[in-house]
Amino acid sequence: TQLLEQSPQFLSIQEGENLTVYCNSSSVFSSLQWYRQEPGEGPVLLVTVVTGGEVKKLKRLTFQFGDARKDSSLHITAAQPGDTGLYLCAGGPSGNQFYFGTGTSLTVIP
Amino acid sequence: NAGVTQTPKFRILKIGQSMTLQCTQDMNHNYMYWYRQDPGMGLKLIYYSVGAGITDKGEVPNGYNVSRSTTEDFPLRLELAAPSQTSVYFCASSSNGLEQYFGPGTRLTVT
Repeated sequence: TQLLEQSPQFLSIQEGENLTVYCNSSSVFSSLQWYRQEPGEGPVLLVTVVTGGEVKKLKRLTFQFGDARKDSSLHITAAQPGDTGLYLCAGGPSGNQFYFGTGTSLTVIP
Repeated sequence: NAGVTQTPKFRILKIGQSMTLQCTQDMNHNYMYWYRQDPGMGLKLIYYSVGAGITDKGEVPNGYNVSRSTTEDFPLRLELAAPSQTSVYFCASSSNGLEQYFGPGTRLTVT
């Protein structure tokens, strides 16, 4: 089992604030993905990063893959209530398997 | 666009009963996956398939079985349900083994 640790586990912020969520592992991954999951629904893929040091932007979301491909961060600028959800990172594939982190639950208060 | 569909949405089983969770995708994806999600534990891979007729175990396969007779369908079978199998089950598919598309989930309670 390849462990992915996410921090913080819970985050509650005011609308308009910035935040960063982290995903760390002792294992090297060929790619790392970020998903967002809303209550009662399945995860939805936000981004895939494959190159060490890679930075991808998706509107107000910025994703970075660590140089050593063991960690990643997700930064949200000017958070909005619609950003509320569970953010999951996943590393792989390793033998066709992806390993998911335990998630960061984000609440953005209007 | 149906994507990945799962049935049922909710189910309550008694200990020792059996059931099949259905998963169908209409995107002609070769890769399909079954995960379980427990509170605070993230998603754990149960079984996966890289194409029709091919299945393989994931991290937590004990107590489950799968089959993949067609590209579209990937049912998950629970034999002799146990309380430890209470969870939310997600099916996913992928065209390239990288980006996964998830279904809405099945919430299973075993009492």
